[in-house]
Amino acid sequence: DARVTQTPRHKVTEMGQEVTMRCQPILGHNTVFWYRQTMMQGLELLAYFRNRAPLDDSGMPKDRFSAEMPDATLATLKIQPSEPRDSAVYFCASGPGQVREKLFFGSGTQLSVL
Amino acid sequence: RKEVEQDPGPFNVPEGATVAFNCTYSNSASQSFFWYRQDCRKEPKLLMSVYSSGNEDGRFTAQLNRASQYISLLIRDSKLSDSATYLCVVNTNAGKSTFGDGTTLTVKP
Repeated sequence: DARVTQTPRHKVTEMGQEVTMRCQPILGHNTVFWYRQTMMQGLELLAYFRNRAPLDDSGMPKDRFSAEMPDATLATLKIQPSEPRDSAVYFCASGPGQVREKLFFGSGTQLSVL
Repeated sequence: RKEVEQDPGPFNVPEGATVAFNCTYSNSASQSFFWYRQDCRKEPKLLMSVYSSGNEDGRFTAQLNRASQYISLLIRDSKLSDSATYLCVVNTNAGKSTFGDGTTLTVKP
């Protein structure tokens, strides 16, 4: 089965360090989403791309977060510098780009910033 | 106001009970609607799409009321394995998928 692959699965880092999370969308999917989930909140949309172009990153703190798609097989989410409040599970999802189509999620990256 | 709102619950019900979840959305231009299920902080997975005419999949029934901007999910004869968080999802015409915060269901023996 085709699946969305996220790395790393777990990341523990110290405050102030750079964190890079990677996502390989399903081949042929042209939309990619980054979501953040904490215990206190649901799935918060950080950014999404269509055909590698960012369509909406209004949910992302611009001063420390950045999201890119260097090519169609890789999406990255970077945090620099990281802070303890960034601790969360970060999910990547991809979709075929049709409004009525479902999203496929990766297993997420569990980030802990100490 | 959040774009998609759900009653967070938790809902604690006995096996065999019928339970209903509600969801409202604020963007009247929203195009498509879904219910996802999430287990223990694993990745969300599609449970079912929601159509204007309403649709049923076994014990699950989803309804959409565009005039009231309201979506519902009904689970009949609930099982222990139905225990999870149920997420309401709304897609805009631009393809943006917005999730509600989820409703937690615990089915007890």
